[in-house]
Amino acid sequence: DTGVSQDPRHKITKRGQNVTFRCDPISEHNRLYWYRQTLGQGPEFLTYFQNEAQLEKSRLLSDRFSAERPKGSFSTLEIQRTEQGDSAMYLCASSLEVRISASEQFFGPGTRLTVL
Amino acid sequence: QKEVEQNSGPLSVPEGAIASLNCTYSDRGSQSFFWYRQYSGKSPELIMFIYSNGDKEDGRFTAQLNKASQYVSLLIRDSQPSDSATYLCAVNVHYGQNFVFGPGTRLSVLP
Repeated sequence: DTGVSQDPRHKITKRGQNVTFRCDPISEHNRLYWYRQTLGQGPEFLTYFQNEAQLEKSRLLSDRFSAERPKGSFSTLEIQRTEQGDSAMYLCASSLEVRISASEQFFGPGTRLTVL
Repeated sequence: QKEVEQNSGPLSVPEGAIASLNCTYSDRGSQSFFWYRQYSGKSPELIMFIYSNGDKEDGRFTAQLNKASQYVSLLIRDSQPSDSATYLCAVNVHYGQNFVFGPGTRLSVLP
């Protein structure tokens, strides 16, 4: 257990429905990342936050995806009008940035999304 | 060309042997390099990281970085069946920003 938690762990939804996932990072970590991972692939970067500011979004990310980290603590990732291609494991990671270069990230257990 | 490349494997080694996992990257400005292990159905867990050229050892694991050749490797000595997993290479391709992961190499350690 890394100290990063995600909820729910599994989500099954019908195509066209909206879903929201939550991530609670390690408490002192100022950076929070969202990734998506499909079978046989490495995690694919979606977006990240430094405190409450969203600093970068993947250019491949559909506008159906939105993320927030309102108080610089937990974060939510919402997918609107889900499609079958959204089925994947959604991973959250956090890190403590104390220098300019990136520090090691610690991953939560993930939320597995299945879109029927 | 993909930003971070790894052989997908599977790489099979006998128990007690040295497993060698390789990763190449395309962005010469990359600063930080990380190795993660991922068991089937689980999330990635950090094994080690390296920032400077050369070798870095941690127990049975050694990371090697060669920025001129743009490759990073992970050696696992005295491989155990419990080391059987997918090993992910992650590279901080832009200074101070997000990571790019390779596709992972599946390692199988045979008893």
